[in-house]
Amino acid sequence: EDQVTQSPEALRLQEGESSSLNCSYTVSGLRGLFWYRQDPGKGPEFLFTLYSAGEEKEKERLKATLTKKESFLHITAPKPEDSATYLCAVQPLQDSGGSNYKLTFGKGTLLTVNP
Amino acid sequence: SAVISQKPSRDICQRGTSLTIQCQVDSQVTMMFWYRQQPGQSLTLIATANQGSEATYESGFVIDKFPISRPNLTFSTLTVSNMSPEDSSIYLCSVSDGAQYFGPGTRLLVL
Repeated sequence: EDQVTQSPEALRLQEGESSSLNCSYTVSGLRGLFWYRQDPGKGPEFLFTLYSAGEEKEKERLKATLTKKESFLHITAPKPEDSATYLCAVQPLQDSGGSNYKLTFGKGTLLTVNP
Repeated sequence: SAVISQKPSRDICQRGTSLTIQCQVDSQVTMMFWYRQQPGQSLTLIATANQGSEATYESGFVIDKFPISRPNLTFSTLTVSNMSPEDSSIYLCSVSDGAQYFGPGTRLLVL
């Protein structure tokens, strides 16, 4: 069974204080690893897809990296507007039902950036 | 990416009643998904809805409790039937073009 564990559960940073969020996963075969941002009262907003170990993607102050066991979301010089819950999800090459679309999500990391 | 809307955005319902949630997409998509997000829990896939065929339900979810319609390539509904307080949750629809994109969600409180 696919599993995703995110740490820490919550992270409080000062504006400009860089840090990283962790997503550890187990999956029989990885089609893709996804990062989302979710603001209170809203649906998840797609950020990145990573497909293979060693891949990196960047968007503004965010950079996502991938190894065979985990992914990191690095936040450089965060601003208060980066405050949100960040969700990680994995998509298998093929799940037990024959589907390759199912996403398994972690519980997320609640990031708070104080001014 | 597709623009997804859901109705209603929130509702408060009495136990034993049913609520139908609508999901509208601004472009034609083959696959639509319904997720549940319970407080403090991760998003969990309820079912996959393909146009022209029966929905495929994940373990722990059954058609009698969560009937789904998919009448065309831009629209789907999820009904939460015979509700109990345990059904209080956020219900999200999503569509896939490689990545999955989510609607704004429907916040349901069952009293």
